[in-house]
Amino acid sequence: NAGVTQTPKFQVLKTGQSMTLQCAQDMNHEYMSWYRQDPGMGLRLIHYSVGAGITDQGEVPNGYNVSRSTTEDFPLRLLSAAPSQTSVYFCASKRSFYGYTFGSGTRLTVV
Amino acid sequence: AQTVTQSQPEMSVQEAETVTLSCTYDTSESDYYLFWYKQPPSRQMILVIRQEAYKQQNATENRFSVNFQKAAKSFSLKISDSQLGDAAMYFCAYANQGGSEKLVFGKGTKLTVNP
Repeated sequence: NAGVTQTPKFQVLKTGQSMTLQCAQDMNHEYMSWYRQDPGMGLRLIHYSVGAGITDQGEVPNGYNVSRSTTEDFPLRLLSAAPSQTSVYFCASKRSFYGYTFGSGTRLTVV
Repeated sequence: AQTVTQSQPEMSVQEAETVTLSCTYDTSESDYYLFWYKQPPSRQMILVIRQEAYKQQNATENRFSVNFQKAAKSFSLKISDSQLGDAAMYFCAYANQGGSEKLVFGKGTKLTVNP
């Protein structure tokens, strides 16, 4: 099993560009989430999904869109990148009542 | 809203010694989950241990154990026989039982293990 796969691992964007961070899991997990990690801030929840077709906002959703058309995939879209979105992004998935399994992260720099 | 506080930004321990990392949280819920995650320099988030609030018994995973004090809203992590590979950032996290898809993290404690 691959677990949770995130692509790309690194990305540099120019301000105003858009892009999609990909996340896929092969564990048939119903829950999936996106977090961002900033220095000294821990991880903060951006968006989450409790199943295909169902998404909701987390703590810091502004500037990001998500969709969940399949159980396996949960892409995160940056609509118009801003320097404040420079961060490390983690995708995670889980079954009920168990801890999350995290992907290896995407380091995004917006210049 | 729930909050998680890790009051020790950095800790250090000698190899083979024991270290305890502190975590407190604030919630009005009675049923919830608590977690400790390890993040080594590789950036991977690794689940170390989890605790269900309804369980009185403290969770243990090999050299890792917790001291869960529900009334005090405290959830400390004890690492016994510390190894060089334990050096990492450690994050305490909280999730409601009903909304367990949403983790709330503390800001982390950087653990250094000295040979």
